Amino acid sequence: KNEVEQSPQNLTAQEEEFITINCSYSVGISALHWLQQHPGGGIVSLFMLSSGKKKHGRLIATINIQEKHSSLHITASHPRDSAVYICVGQGNLIFGKGTKLSVKP
Amino acid sequence: ETGVTQSPTHLIKTRGQQVTLRCSSQSGHNTVSWYQQALGQGPQFIFQYYREEENGRGNFPPRFSGLQFPNYSSELNVNALELDDSALYLCASSLQGINYGYTFGSGTRLTVV
Repeated sequence: KNEVEQSPQNLTAQEEEFITINCSYSVGISALHWLQQHPGGGIVSLFMLSSGKKKHGRLIATINIQEKHSSLHITASHPRDSAVYICVGQGNLIFGKGTKLSVKP
Repeated sequence: ETGVTQSPTHLIKTRGQQVTLRCSSQSGHNTVSWYQQALGQGPQFIFQYYREEENGRGNFPPRFSGLQFPNYSSELNVNALELDDSALYLCASSLQGINYGYTFGSGTRLTVV
């Protein structure tokens, strides 16, 4: 069992839909990262958070350390949001397997 | 500030050969971590270097080795390449400590034929 579990594994949405990706982890961590990986491999760090909520543009990330759960939300999704989204536990960076998001126009 | 630069971006090697991948860390960062990402999988931790010494290692055989230099740049060396070593190799730099974020490079895609 992976120590960091993401759901769903694959997600197809229509443009403008509100999207939620979930991440649950079984180990104690001090912080969690959300990464975006585009086709071709380049990784962009979206958020690092240890409590509460962070917002950047149309992206919102929340974390509940006690419940060992984090969510990434995308409002008014756009085709350019299509990518793999990965949650990563702090430490030696325990990676989830990623959620592949496809946003259709 | 510069980001993390990896070289080369793509590489094709023959089974049994050796390969060296390079990573320059972001300015101000002293820790470099290397990851292997097989097609369709999440990245797997290979090892981390801090102040030129290995500071943690994942479940990879000894033919995966690394170096960190005084300027905090790093190399990943893989000997006796196997077909299953074909993957995207990512490096990430950070400042040692639990509250500092990681900056990722764009990766080196290695194909072993």
